Amino acid sequence: ETGVTQTPRHLVMGMTNKKSLKCEQHLGHNAMYWYKQSAKKPLELMFVYNFKEQTENNSVPSRFSPECPNSSHLFLHLHTLQPEDSALYLCASSQDLPRGREYEQYFGPGTRLTVT
Amino acid sequence: DQQVKQNSPSLSVQEGRISILNCDYTNSMFDYFLWYKKYPAEGPTFLISISSIKDKNEDGRFTVFLNKSAKHLSLHIVPSQPGDSAVYFCAASAISNFGNEKLTFGTGTRLTIIP
Repeated sequence: ETGVTQTPRHLVMGMTNKKSLKCEQHLGHNAMYWYKQSAKKPLELMFVYNFKEQTENNSVPSRFSPECPNSSHLFLHLHTLQPEDSALYLCASSQDLPRGREYEQYFGPGTRLTVT
Repeated sequence: DQQVKQNSPSLSVQEGRISILNCDYTNSMFDYFLWYKKYPAEGPTFLISISSIKDKNEDGRFTVFLNKSAKHLSLHIVPSQPGDSAVYFCAASAISNFGNEKLTFGTGTRLTIIP
């Protein structure tokens, strides 16, 4: 496997379910991110992890709970979601570069989540 | 309030001609700008970037122009090819309060190249 992988690719869950999204990066990066993309809205940053430590929580509701056990893996635990949480959830990673260097995030293919 | 705006949701261009995608931003703290390209069922992939100290960056068929005074950037693709058909996202970067690079994305422009 190369790059950034995400599982599952599609998920349908009820509002009372508990599920988890998984992301794995094979690039040796130190930073990992969760983004949400709702229809006709820009990509919204949810969480940032740098060297396994959460360094940013972009005012995300507590029904989304991230976990980063190591620099290569990132999870998003979901519970008691709402229908409006239906969206594409993208994971990304980047090398922890100093400012001024080329900076890019590598994205996974995303998980299409539908909450019924 | 959207800080990065792509006002054209879609654009169609004849193969071989120039494609110009536009992006406007409002936050003067942004100092690094990127373009990402997204095919269906795939995550966005990095295309080209520009630092705020430059006004142009070129990479093969792709050129990004930055007009800081107008808070405007554009992506030029010439000549356009059918494989360029995708959604293009503009993104702007600033250091967050936590010292992270934080990307803010636009809503994307769907580019269709007509053979």
